[in-house]
Amino acid sequence: EAGVVQSPRYKIIEKKQPVAFWCNPISGHNTLYWYRQNLGQGPELLIRYENEEAVDDSQLPKDRFSAERLKGVDSTLKIQPAELGDSAVYLCASSQSPGPEAFFGQGTRLTVV
Amino acid sequence: DAKTTQPPSMDCAEGRAANLPCNHSTISGNEYVYWYRQIHSQGPQYIIHGLKNNETNEMASLIITEDRKSSTLILPHATLRDTAVYYCIVRVDDKIIFGKGTRLHILP
Repeated sequence: EAGVVQSPRYKIIEKKQPVAFWCNPISGHNTLYWYRQNLGQGPELLIRYENEEAVDDSQLPKDRFSAERLKGVDSTLKIQPAELGDSAVYLCASSQSPGPEAFFGQGTRLTVV
Repeated sequence: DAKTTQPPSMDCAEGRAANLPCNHSTISGNEYVYWYRQIHSQGPQYIIHGLKNNETNEMASLIITEDRKSSTLILPHATLRDTAVYYCIVRVDDKIIFGKGTRLHILP
């Protein structure tokens, strides 16, 4: 069975440009997470979905970040416009709620120059 | 969510048991203790979780003190592939909040 799939793996953009990340969770998983991880730090939760509903987006910088989860399956995280400080690894995870284990993708490494 | 405290780094000789401590003195009665690890350039991976009783699976053992204020993750026979950052997390629902974790170095 395929795990959580994220694309692209790497992205380099100039500041002020838009960027989007895509996540395909494990089939049947109703909970989806987006995290941001800066170098040397633990992952920081940006948003959590239960099916199509964003149930926790308190840490999402809403002035430039947006996310959606189409039909409760795939999800897209967008940054517009990107800033130098947005350089990080963006991780997607999914789980079957209720359930103990969240499965993570390999992440997208974003570099803003 | 309760906060956790972990040492920033630890060393362990290959083949020996690695014991990773975690303090969670403000844990609530219904919060579980979870452990994840993150190998370089990969996403975090679930290891084990528990509420009150000690737990064991194919990867590790989890020892939770009787007052639940601390726990220890045990990797019984550490290998070089166990080199990673280990995160101790307490949670009651689907919200998973990571701290800085412990960077475990396995020495050959």
